[in-house]
Amino acid sequence: KAGVTQTPRYLIKTRGQQVTLSCSPISGHRSVSWYQQTPGQGLQFLFEYFSETQRNKGNFPGRFSGRQFSNSRSEMNVSTLELGDSALYLCASSQNGFLAFFGQGTRLTVV
Amino acid sequence: AQKITQTQPGMFVQEKEAVTLDCTYDTSDQSYGLFWYKQPSSGEMIFLIYQGSYDEQNATEGRYSLNFQKARKSANLVISASQLGDSAMYFCAMREGGMEYGNKLVFGAGTILRVKS
Repeated sequence: KAGVTQTPRYLIKTRGQQVTLSCSPISGHRSVSWYQQTPGQGLQFLFEYFSETQRNKGNFPGRFSGRQFSNSRSEMNVSTLELGDSALYLCASSQNGFLAFFGQGTRLTVV
Repeated sequence: AQKITQTQPGMFVQEKEAVTLDCTYDTSDQSYGLFWYKQPSSGEMIFLIYQGSYDEQNATEGRYSLNFQKARKSANLVISASQLGDSAMYFCAMREGGMEYGNKLVFGAGTILRVKS
């Protein structure tokens, strides 16, 4: 079984731009969660999608958004990038509410 | 509000010895789940062990065991027979509510473990 796949692995963007990150969950998993990891704030929950609906949302500004497609693949989008958005973005997939599978992450650098 | 506290920023352990990584949590929910993850320098989060709040026995997974003390709200990770490959960052996390409420986890700040040969 293929694991959780995140693309791209690395990304460099300029302030003010927008970015889209992709996450393909393990086959059969309907839940996809996103987390942001920074040295200052640690790991913070962004949002979770289940069967194409946002089920949970963290405390992030509206610049952060996401969606999930019918095949459970998920994307997150950050608009009007700020330097503070530089982070490792981790995606995790789950079949039954048990969060055991994370992707390798997308490392975003905003310059 | 949920809170996970990991009081040890860094730990050293001699190879083949056991080590305990501390985790305390704060929640007013009766139903919750506690997780431990390992994050090597590559960045991927690796699930290690899970303890449900209603589980009566401490969870064990190979060399990992969770010392769950509900009254003290602690969920310490014990790694037995440490190996050089155990050197990594370790995170304790909590899901408030049952699994049916989804996968919103709150993470602690982490503990860096270094295994010495």
